[in-house]
Amino acid sequence: GAGVSQSPSNKVTEKGKDVELRCDPISGHTALYWYRQSLGQGLEFLIYFQGNSAPDKSGLPSDRFSAERTGGSVSTLTIQRTQQEDSAVYLCASSFYLTGDQPQHFGDGTRLSIL
Amino acid sequence: ILNVEQSPQSLHVQEGDSTNFTCSFPSSNFYALHWYRWETAKSPEALFVMTLNGDEKKKGRISATLNTKEGYSYLYIKGSQPEDSATYLCAFQNTGNQFYFGTGTSLTVIP
Repeated sequence: GAGVSQSPSNKVTEKGKDVELRCDPISGHTALYWYRQSLGQGLEFLIYFQGNSAPDKSGLPSDRFSAERTGGSVSTLTIQRTQQEDSAVYLCASSFYLTGDQPQHFGDGTRLSIL
Repeated sequence: ILNVEQSPQSLHVQEGDSTNFTCSFPSSNFYALHWYRWETAKSPEALFVMTLNGDEKKKGRISATLNTKEGYSYLYIKGSQPEDSATYLCAFQNTGNQFYFGTGTSLTVIP
């Protein structure tokens, strides 16, 4: 079946522009996560959504970052007024429900480069 | 921010060798420990999820153990093959359902 789909796969933009990254999770997965990996760093948790609950935004690095999940399915991560330090690979993952023994299924990521 | 540490950072082994890596994590607020394999140009792939102290899981030539009291997990690969070359990530999931990833161990298996 279809896995987690992310778009675009690559994005190059100028500093100061806004960008939107999209994630389409596996159908039926109620939990959705956003991570980023900066060069030489580990995966950094950004935000997660679980069903209709309020999202956990504790990992968002600044108020320039926001995310939405519409209809419990597709999610968009928006970065406003991008900075060079925002350059990273942004990964989305989903899981069936948030219990301890459910692995996350990752998309292929969006490689974001800020000039 | 919690510290999840993996060692070694990178590893080169000959085909047929057995190897192991370590993931250390906080022993408080533990919920689960995840292992993923991340091959170049692909997305991370789940290997194991472990929740109980003393858990041992196995998938083919790869196995993992968990010690939640002392805060570590080992991943073992028996008889390494070139297709095992990848970065192996561990992730600590706390009781608040937040995930903290290590920086990974990069394994290269030399034919």
